Amino acid sequence: QSALTQPASVSGSPGQSITISCSGARSDVGSYKLVSWYQQDPGKAPKLIIYEVSKRPSGVSNRFSASKSGNTASLTISGLQAGDEADYYCCSYAGSSTWVFGGGTRLTVL
Amino acid sequence: EVQLVESGGGFVHPGGSLRLSCAASGFTFSSHWMHWVRQAPGKGLVWVSHVSSEGSSTSYADSVKGRFTISRDNAKNILYLQMNSLRAEDAAVYYCARDFQASGFDYWGQGALVTVSS
Repeated sequence: QSALTQPASVSGSPGQSITISCSGARSDVGSYKLVSWYQQDPGKAPKLIIYEVSKRPSGVSNRFSASKSGNTASLTISGLQAGDEADYYCCSYAGSSTWVFGGGTRLTVL
Repeated sequence: EVQLVESGGGFVHPGGSLRLSCAASGFTFSSHWMHWVRQAPGKGLVWVSHVSSEGSSTSYADSVKGRFTISRDNAKNILYLQMNSLRAEDAAVYYCARDFQASGFDYWGQGALVTVSS
């Protein structure tokens, strides 16, 4: 149950696009289309923004998109806004009814 | 409106026990898997445990296996986490979360803070 690997931080200017990677293993990200992404503001509970690799829950902006290739998943945020500044976490089903999160990425909007 | 409200957090000495509760409302609790996820101060999210909708199947992270027990009371719409033999590294905010198609967690509680210190 090793944590998925995310960059500690990314940054971008308003209007730009950024991508956050989430590297796992063949036993988790590589084996299941069950990757999700979360946005967490300081002191708040996480919010689901992507499920099943690339699907957006109702109400989540289409500026958030995601994909997966092999053992690596990616989250892209286009048209960066100041309100996107937050921590982002990926999560994958890892088999045997276990799940694993990434270490989290702090997004700074310059 | 879906609501998950945790309670039972607090201070405990190493080796002690604590039971967290998560009161669910606004949805058919008995139809959903449920999870506990924790977050140590300044650290990332860590999945802790899962329970099936009827409570017959459970799973745990290696770090808590044998010490924590997840359970649920579908008649009362409450999820529990019994935490025994607590260690300093168990100190965290504990969130209960509703499972979404095994692909994620779509609703989260506000969190319950557990402090473990001598």
